[in-house]
Amino acid sequence: DTGVSQNPRHKITKRGQNVTFRCDPISEHNRLYWYRQTLGQGPEFLTYFQNEAQLEKSRLLSDRFSAERPKGSFSTLEIQRTEQGDSAMYLCASSLTGQGGEKLFFGSGTQLSVL
Amino acid sequence: GENVEQHPSTLSVQEGDSAVIKCTYSDSASNYFPWYKQELGKRPQLIIDIRSNVGEKKDQRIAVTLNKTAKHFSLHITETQPEDSAVYFCAATSYGNNRLAFGKGNQVVVIP
Repeated sequence: DTGVSQNPRHKITKRGQNVTFRCDPISEHNRLYWYRQTLGQGPEFLTYFQNEAQLEKSRLLSDRFSAERPKGSFSTLEIQRTEQGDSAMYLCASSLTGQGGEKLFFGSGTQLSVL
Repeated sequence: GENVEQHPSTLSVQEGDSAVIKCTYSDSASNYFPWYKQELGKRPQLIIDIRSNVGEKKDQRIAVTLNKTAKHFSLHITETQPEDSAVYFCAATSYGNNRLAFGKGNQVVVIP
């Protein structure tokens, strides 16, 4: 499967714990995005990387959230001191710069449940 | 920022009939408008998109129309089939903007 891969698919954690998610984009894609989706809502933008540089962050991304893409390939999203309001589907997407660079290819997401 | 709204929230159609979903946007600078389909428990997938320099685009049974003056665009599905049942999200962005603004989604149910 050469699509966007996310791990784990599901994560259950207790409030206050830290969690980390991983995203492997399509190999030739240089852009990587993190979105969050809650039930009955569309995906909400969190942050965006071009290669290894994090170029944009949403106000939704509080200080407890950090994302990295150290070598311009896979990315990690860490949430520290999780809260119940963090429960959501975390979606990763990738795209390729250039004409059609806005065409996002999504992964299957990581479903986070904070108890 | 861009605000995208979709109507209706739920649409039920008989198999073989057409379905139309309308989306409105707020930012007149937006120039790229994709539609994503998300089946239950699966990832959102791009099904069709349109840029502001054209008014309509077709791909087999699906089409998208854009009215820049009114700031709305619509998804048309003809000869609906059960596999068309899904949530459809519209989105908008402008050139140089790195984020897509999504609507809340439309649940389409095709009744066999």
